[in-house]
Amino acid sequence: KQEVTQIPAALSVPEGENLVLNCSFTDSAIYNLQWFRQDPGKGLTSLLLIQSSQREQTSGRLNASLDKSSGRSTLYIAASQPGDSATYLCAVNLQGAQKLVFGQGTRLTINP
Amino acid sequence: GAVVSQHPSWVICKSGTSVKIECRSLDFQATTMFWYRQFPKQSLMLMATSNEGSKATYEQGVEKDKFLINHASLTLSTLTVTSAHPEDSSFYICSARVAGTDTQYFGPGTRLTVL
Repeated sequence: KQEVTQIPAALSVPEGENLVLNCSFTDSAIYNLQWFRQDPGKGLTSLLLIQSSQREQTSGRLNASLDKSSGRSTLYIAASQPGDSATYLCAVNLQGAQKLVFGQGTRLTINP
Repeated sequence: GAVVSQHPSWVICKSGTSVKIECRSLDFQATTMFWYRQFPKQSLMLMATSNEGSKATYEQGVEKDKFLINHASLTLSTLTVTSAHPEDSSFYICSARVAGTDTQYFGPGTRLTVL
């Protein structure tokens, strides 16, 4: 059974710092991996999607990497801003099943 | 970008009543929709996969007679929580997969509170 773990569960940093969020998964047979952002009481916004054949994806200040063989992904946020405060979720798309398994999320707070 | 809506955005009901939640893809066709439940400070748990024109596939531990799913068209799936109880109070989120792709878009969620 695929399990997705995110570390840390919560993170608080001052504005302007670069930071890394971690995601690990137990079964490397994935179709792709996505990083989402969730604001309190809201739905999910997709940030980055990495196909299983890719190593990384970039969008603005965000960079996500994928090491499928070791079951790890990282989300790098550069020059953090208070508006980046949210819960960040990673999810793996199971190969052949086309359904997402989510991690518990990292609750990020950027302090002005 | 593609938009998925949910209605209602929040609902409060009495224990024992049934509640229907709608999930609509507004500008694309979705042959597959997914229903998730999220308890406070927890992650999303997949409840069921809804395929247009066929029966939904439920995840282990999810009661199909309690959570009725109907996917009658390529743009609408409904989740009915029957005989709701306080433990069913949760945030329900749907997602819709664009037909012919592996891209999913998520709805804004529905907050259900059962008194």
